[in-house]
Amino acid sequence: GAVVSQHPSWVICKSGTSVKIECRSLDFQATTMFWYRQFPKQSLMLMATSNEGSKATYEQGVEKDKFLINHASLTLSTLTVTSAHPEDSSFYICSADTGVNTEAFFGQGTRLTVV
Amino acid sequence: AQKVTQAQTEISVVEKEDVTLDCVYETRDTTYYLFWYKQPPSGELVFLIRRNSFDEQNEISGRYSWNFQKSTSSFNFTITASQVVDSAVYFCALPSGTYKYIFGTGTRLKVLA
Repeated sequence: GAVVSQHPSWVICKSGTSVKIECRSLDFQATTMFWYRQFPKQSLMLMATSNEGSKATYEQGVEKDKFLINHASLTLSTLTVTSAHPEDSSFYICSADTGVNTEAFFGQGTRLTVV
Repeated sequence: AQKVTQAQTEISVVEKEDVTLDCVYETRDTTYYLFWYKQPPSGELVFLIRRNSFDEQNEISGRYSWNFQKSTSSFNFTITASQVVDSAVYFCALPSGTYKYIFGTGTRLKVLA
């Protein structure tokens, strides 16, 4: 199946700094990617839809100025958590649209800890 | 609105027992897909099954089986002869649009040796 690679797998950053998470489709082009967030022992919640060459679409309650999404190419979407705070500590996972009507393919996730 | 309900928050079974994880969904779409994913402690999502709403046949894959009942809007997942390696969180999901997933709250399965 299609492969989606997410980097880094885990990151620890200081409060107030920014951290960038990359989501790459390795063997296909993805015009649309999705970013989810999962707090400990909770479900995955969609944060935003990332569209290649255009602005991301954010779900209600997600701060677009805090979670910057850039989908500059058909194989790469990035999520930047700006001015991170401990409450942003979470598991972030991306998925990609293969353009074929099968299941979405998920990255392996990034565990962010803000100290 | 799309909604997925997994009423069982956590289930513990002893190895070799059978266990069924429940999933109830709501959708206004006449055609839709349903999914089950496994999330082991490492965090990645492991795809288990995709089911088209037109296909109500039960599916079996090894120790896994799925019972799709459109009349009750349920898509339940059974693990036969559970093993410790089955311990994980299991999510039922319903796409809103093609790839925008609505996940249930998940069921944490603990299989005890």
